[in-house]
Amino acid sequence: ETGVTQTPRHLVMGMTNKKSLKCEQHLGHNAMYWYKQSAKKPLELMFVYNFKEQTENNSVPSRFSPECPNSSHLFLHLHTLQPEDSALYLCASSQDWSSGTDTQYFGPGTRLTVL
Amino acid sequence: GQNIDQPTEMTATEGAIVQINCTYQTSGFNGLFWYQQHAGEAPTFLSYNVLDGLEEKGRFSSFLSRSKGYSYLLLKELQMKDSASYLCAGLDSNYQLIWGAGTKLIIKP
Repeated sequence: ETGVTQTPRHLVMGMTNKKSLKCEQHLGHNAMYWYKQSAKKPLELMFVYNFKEQTENNSVPSRFSPECPNSSHLFLHLHTLQPEDSALYLCASSQDWSSGTDTQYFGPGTRLTVL
Repeated sequence: GQNIDQPTEMTATEGAIVQINCTYQTSGFNGLFWYQQHAGEAPTFLSYNVLDGLEEKGRFSSFLSRSKGYSYLLLKELQMKDSASYLCAGLDSNYQLIWGAGTKLIIKP
């Protein structure tokens, strides 16, 4: 596989469920990102990991919990979500977040629906 | 506050030229990105401008005016496959990307 992959592509869950989103990058990058994309709204940066260390947490509710076991894998653990959390969740990677002008490469996203 | 403005939707004809505008207000400025996103797919990188002027890449060109806080993406010889959303994002002084909501481009035969 090449590029950035995400699984699952679609997820429907109830508010009491616990699920996890997975992202894997095959580009040899050191930075990974989670974004939330809602219809007709700008991308919202949720979390950034650079060399496996979390560098950004943009006031994301605790019902979203990231995990980065190594530079190639990123997870987003979900629990007790709300219907307004329904959105497309995009993962991205770049060479090094601290370099500033890095180009980010995105995965295809997980379409999440919370019932 | 920081803000990126771009039109919500545009329509153009196959074979024609279309210009998608983007204005930005960021705390400091370290460049501007354009991404293309087809429905249900990943955003893909198109261009990065940090200096004033026009940069051309085949049928796509991107322009930047730092003094005006303005950029545009120019698409020539439009093809049906160019139907997509085009995302503008500015890089602020902390190297944070500030994203626009995207412009949905509809190409008609």
